[in-house]
Amino acid sequence: KAGVTQTPRYLIKTRGQQVTLSCSPISGHRSVSWYQQTPGQGLQFLFEYFSETQRNKGNFPGRFSGRQFSNSRSEMNVSTLELGDSALYLCASSLLAGAFGYEQFFGPGTRLTVL
Amino acid sequence: GIQVEQSPPDLILQEGANSTLRCNFSDSVNNLQWFHQNPWGQLINLFYIPSGTKQNGRLSATTVATERYSLLYISSSQTTDSGVYFCAAPGGGADGLTFGKGTHLIIQP
Repeated sequence: KAGVTQTPRYLIKTRGQQVTLSCSPISGHRSVSWYQQTPGQGLQFLFEYFSETQRNKGNFPGRFSGRQFSNSRSEMNVSTLELGDSALYLCASSLLAGAFGYEQFFGPGTRLTVL
Repeated sequence: GIQVEQSPPDLILQEGANSTLRCNFSDSVNNLQWFHQNPWGQLINLFYIPSGTKQNGRLSATTVATERYSLLYISSSQTTDSGVYFCAAPGGGADGLTFGKGTHLIIQP
């Protein structure tokens, strides 16, 4: 069974631009979560989508948004990029919502650099 | 939300040595996962272990849910075991996984 895939793997943007990252979960998984990893803050939860609905959101500004499609694929968008948005963005999928205790599986990540 | 603390933050060992990594969590959990982050950043699932003991080759893990801690054991370390090890658990309500700060393990030949 194919794992979680993320595209693109690397991205370079400039301040003020916007970016869209994509995540395809493991076949049959309905929950997709996004995380940001930076050297200073570590791994932080961004949001989770289940059945096309955002279930919860972490402590990030409104510039960070996402959506999930009927095939469970998910995208996240960051508008008006700031230097501090440079990070590794990781996507995870699980069979059902992560909060119910289901094992989560991570993709390879998208490394975003903002210049 | 839940707090997850890992120790030690750094560990340097010689090849062949054994190691124990610890994860403490502040509240009861229904999911506890251990990951190894490879040099390219991907989180590799090691164990899904809300309670009890599991073994996979040279690695094993034990979670004592009533005492709110989990241990990851690595025996006969190899240089390929180097990297950062994370434990993570769900926060309260519908939160995602809360991660510890990780243990940076270096295995020297």
